[in-house]
Amino acid sequence: DAGVIQSPRHEVTEMGQEVTLRCKPISGHNSLFWYRQTMMRGLELLIYFNNNVPIDDSGMPEDRFSAKMPNASFSTLKIQPSEPRDSAVYFCASSLLGDMNTEAFFGQGTRLTVV
Amino acid sequence: QQQVKQSPQSLIVQKGGISIINCAYENTAFDYFPWYQQFPGKGPALLIAIRPDVSEKKEGRFTISFNKSAKQFSLHIMDSQPGDSATYFCAAISSGSARQLTFGSGTQLTVLP
Repeated sequence: DAGVIQSPRHEVTEMGQEVTLRCKPISGHNSLFWYRQTMMRGLELLIYFNNNVPIDDSGMPEDRFSAKMPNASFSTLKIQPSEPRDSAVYFCASSLLGDMNTEAFFGQGTRLTVV
Repeated sequence: QQQVKQSPQSLIVQKGGISIINCAYENTAFDYFPWYQQFPGKGPALLIAIRPDVSEKKEGRFTISFNKSAKQFSLHIMDSQPGDSATYFCAAISSGSARQLTFGSGTQLTVLP
């Protein structure tokens, strides 16, 4: 398995533009997480899905952020409109719910820069 | 609310020395405590993990010590090597159906040659 795949790896966009980050979880995993990493706030959980259903989106900072998981093999995180303070590395992770020793596997991340 | 507190923020150790990173938690619903290692430009990767019914777990040069009554756990890296230079995150997973990870703030470890 190729692991969790995120795209793009780097994104530079202008303030006000829409940004879509993509994630392909590991095949067979049924939980998917979106994290944001910054120097100031560390790793923050934005939202997580179980069996394609959003369970907790309390970490989503504002209504400008939205996430979808239309099927078990694909998820998107959208920011519209983007702002400079959204600049961060966004990670997607997946795991197998039900496994007591749950390991979350992370993708390589998308480095977003909003100018 | 910071549910997992991690210290120190940064750590510099000589090659061959012992690196110690400490974490404390508040939520008694946590039932699994993994440590993640992150190299620059990469996502975090599981290093070692422990359940609260065990006081210590060792894998090679890496050891987790767990104190359930104090709600504290720590990572010890023996014979630290320059290749261990990375950011280390402790984490905790809550019991129940969600199994979401709550991370500490991270420790940037530098091992000098």
